[in-house]
Amino acid sequence: KNEVEQSPQNLTAQEGEFITINCSYSVGISALHWLQQHPGGGIVSLFMLSSGKKKHGRLIATINIQEKHSSLHITASHPRDSAVYICAVWVASNQFYFGTGTSLTVIP
Amino acid sequence: DGGITQSPKYLFRKEGQNVTLSCEQNLNHDAMYWYRQDPGQGLRLIYYSQIVNDFQKGDIAEGYSVSREKKESFPLTVTSAQKNPTAFYLCASRRTGGESGYTFGSGTRLTVV
Repeated sequence: KNEVEQSPQNLTAQEGEFITINCSYSVGISALHWLQQHPGGGIVSLFMLSSGKKKHGRLIATINIQEKHSSLHITASHPRDSAVYICAVWVASNQFYFGTGTSLTVIP
Repeated sequence: DGGITQSPKYLFRKEGQNVTLSCEQNLNHDAMYWYRQDPGQGLRLIYYSQIVNDFQKGDIAEGYSVSREKKESFPLTVTSAQKNPTAFYLCASRRTGGESGYTFGSGTRLTVV
């Protein structure tokens, strides 16, 4: 069983739609990260969360520590948001556990 | 600008040959990491180093070797003992102490033929 589970695995949306990607984890964590991987392969860190909610532009990330769950929301989605979104949790053993990613395609 | 440079972006090697992937960072980060990414799987940790001249095995270290002679550099050698070397390899670094995010390189796609 993977320590980090993401859903859905694949997501197709029309431009302008509100998108939610979910992440559940089974281990105690210090922080949770949302990462974005574009088709070229490079990964960019979007958010680091240990509680509450963060917002950056059209992206919103929330975390519920008690329920061990986080969500990434994209408002007014755009084709340039098409990427793989990866949830990763930082644990006390000094490493990340990664979800398998959610592949998002936004259609114009 | 500071960042992590991985080179080359694409690498082709014949089966049985060792190959070394480069990872250089100018962020003054203490810790560096190598991950392997396969289709449908999360990133898996190969090796990591928290300080110069020291490194630890990750979950899938067999068939790989690393060195950390300089703070800025953490090269990964994929040896002929690695049974399925074709994959996408990502290097990352972070500042140790407290919570801090990772910085990732752009990756190297290795194909062994």
